[in-house]
Amino acid sequence: DGGITQSPKYLFRKEGQNVTLSCEQNLNHDAMYWYRQDPGQGLRLIYYSQIVNDFQKGDIAEGYSVSREKKESFPLTVTSAQKNPTAFYLCASSGAGGLTYEQYFGPGTRLTVT
Amino acid sequence: SQKIEQNSEALNIQEGKTATLTCNYTNYSPAYLQWYRQDPGRGPVFLLLIRENEKEKRKERLKVTFDTTLKQSLFHITASQPADSATYLCALVRGYNKLIFGAGTRLAVHP
Repeated sequence: DGGITQSPKYLFRKEGQNVTLSCEQNLNHDAMYWYRQDPGQGLRLIYYSQIVNDFQKGDIAEGYSVSREKKESFPLTVTSAQKNPTAFYLCASSGAGGLTYEQYFGPGTRLTVT
Repeated sequence: SQKIEQNSEALNIQEGKTATLTCNYTNYSPAYLQWYRQDPGRGPVFLLLIRENEKEKRKERLKVTFDTTLKQSLFHITASQPADSATYLCALVRGYNKLIFGAGTRLAVHP
């Protein structure tokens, strides 16, 4: 998990509430990513950011929002518009232009919405 | 759209044997393919990357092959140990710094 922190590890919310998941990295990486993982499925890309103050939608961005005001931080907000928000959320970072495209992952946040 | 398939059934093997995991992909010709290890409730950890012009890559007890004709990668763990038990994810590099992940194969190594 080195260098990337996500908090909290477990999060419980009532349906209809927005919730923000934290992601911080001290690896000096330019690129950051948010994924969602559901049982039996691969990681699916929600949003990514290649540089500060810029981000792009991934494959399943509907119902989510992000910001990238600082290089170290890439918070994800799960809005009430997300129809099925209960999942394991993973944040990752990588050095832009890296030859291996290796991504470093945080420990994840398990969100449960009831 | 691009699709990655990994065996959804768990692979159970005896300690000391070689584990072989398969990753097949369609509708894509990636320049790079990666393998990650994921333990329960934790984030994936990068293991190896192989490029399209490399047939084989090794790292300690790990070996990865990449057959662009078959659109397949094989991931081998030799002399497997119970500590190798985890889920192994295959990922293709698409575009700039973006990955597509397979669902992973769970490996269980029994003493």
